[in-house]
Amino acid sequence: DIQMTQSPSSLSASVGDRVTITCRASQSINSWLAWYQQKPGKAPKLLIYRASSLDSGVPSRFSGRGSGTEFTLTISSLQPDDFATYFCHQYSNYPYTFGQGTKLEIK
Amino acid sequence: QVQLVQSGAEVKKPGASVKVFCMVSGYTFSNYAIHWVRQAPGQRLEWMAWINVGNGNTQVSQKFQGRVTITRDTSATTVYMELSTLRSEDTAVYYCARLQSGDAYDIWGQGTIITISS
Repeated sequence: DIQMTQSPSSLSASVGDRVTITCRASQSINSWLAWYQQKPGKAPKLLIYRASSLDSGVPSRFSGRGSGTEFTLTISSLQPDDFATYFCHQYSNYPYTFGQGTKLEIK
Repeated sequence: QVQLVQSGAEVKKPGASVKVFCMVSGYTFSNYAIHWVRQAPGQRLEWMAWINVGNGNTQVSQKFQGRVTITRDTSATTVYMELSTLRSEDTAVYYCARLQSGDAYDIWGQGTIITISS
């Protein structure tokens, strides 16, 4: 199975900050990587697919980069609604696997 | 609008089975695969299985082989996930999700909480 490792596991930041979350795959997944946002008690919401494509309706302050084994999600200017948990997901090989999540908290 | 609506929370005893449904609306049912993913308390999301809704073919994670069955009812635009021989470690939120044309999960159900307790 492909292991997905996110860093950091948690992050404190302020409104307006720029933050970057990293996801590493244990083997190459090309660009078959997605990023999701999840709030407590809610289903995940797709933000980015194919490593860098913004899903419909997602604000442009979210961006994704990377290919192969290293990927990043950047939020250019944090908004109050962005405080949530973010996780990556590889869909290159079955079984699909997910990162452990990064909890983004208000400083 | 496009929606996946799941069945409600259940409490089951160890050894029992549970069947969760995922009712689809707002798009052509057979055009998209449906996947099942679960999230145990404090754990990362875990992929379980998927079904090609068009032809009914399924693939189940090796971890759940023999315990998970995925079916669909095209007339009801509903996908079912049955998990058998339940144990305490199966306590989790179970999600169905639509695979976006061979890509990521663009639409998710609201989740179904399954609690295993004697």
